[in-house]
Amino acid sequence: QQQVKQSPQSLIVQKGGISIINCAYENTAFDYFPWYQQFPGKGPALLIAIRPDVSEKKEGRFTISFNKSAKQFSLHIMDSQPGDSATYFCAASDGTSGSRLTFGEGTQLTVNP
Amino acid sequence: GAVVSQHPSRVICKSGTSVKIECRSLDFQATTMFWYRQFPKQSLMLMATSNEGSKATYEQGVEKDKFLINHASLTLSTLTVTSAHPEDSSFYICSASPGQVYNEQFFGPGTRLTVL
Repeated sequence: QQQVKQSPQSLIVQKGGISIINCAYENTAFDYFPWYQQFPGKGPALLIAIRPDVSEKKEGRFTISFNKSAKQFSLHIMDSQPGDSATYFCAASDGTSGSRLTFGEGTQLTVNP
Repeated sequence: GAVVSQHPSRVICKSGTSVKIECRSLDFQATTMFWYRQFPKQSLMLMATSNEGSKATYEQGVEKDKFLINHASLTLSTLTVTSAHPEDSSFYICSASPGQVYNEQFFGPGTRLTVL
């Protein structure tokens, strides 16, 4: 029940295309859903996060869509750029102070020029 | 804002020695810090959660006597890998949470440990 399932494992898109990564969860106590971007040899960086009281959050080219009834959320990267090539992790937690994050398995995104 | 540093970024040591990794929150006070381990092309594996001034909570399967965690202040946590062996070679990453906004966690740049 603590798992977060992420797909696809890897994704290749052309420059200017839309990258879409999906995550699904089981634990209905989760109420905080961040996405992290990680470059090789670096720590993850918080990209964007959403709470379940909204169905969508947009920050620049990055959008999270959230479907509470389906227990799914996704990251959309518009106008994908080669610099976006990285590994993306979704995560979830129950939002209480100090609570742990449960991570998805990660998606390796490659954006071809 | 929300910068977390780790030191060292890279360490190579001989089998049987101990290695200490520092994690600092530079511009905020971290009520909780987390330590993760990451193998190549895999997700982050939580090792332990620590709160300032109290004992760390270790995840199942993580040896607390091997991975010593000290959270001495609201801006500093250390992970000591004792009697390191080659199988301990990994990428160790800390994160810090200010505990204000829904468990936002900010990650350090990671430490690459290689045990010969």
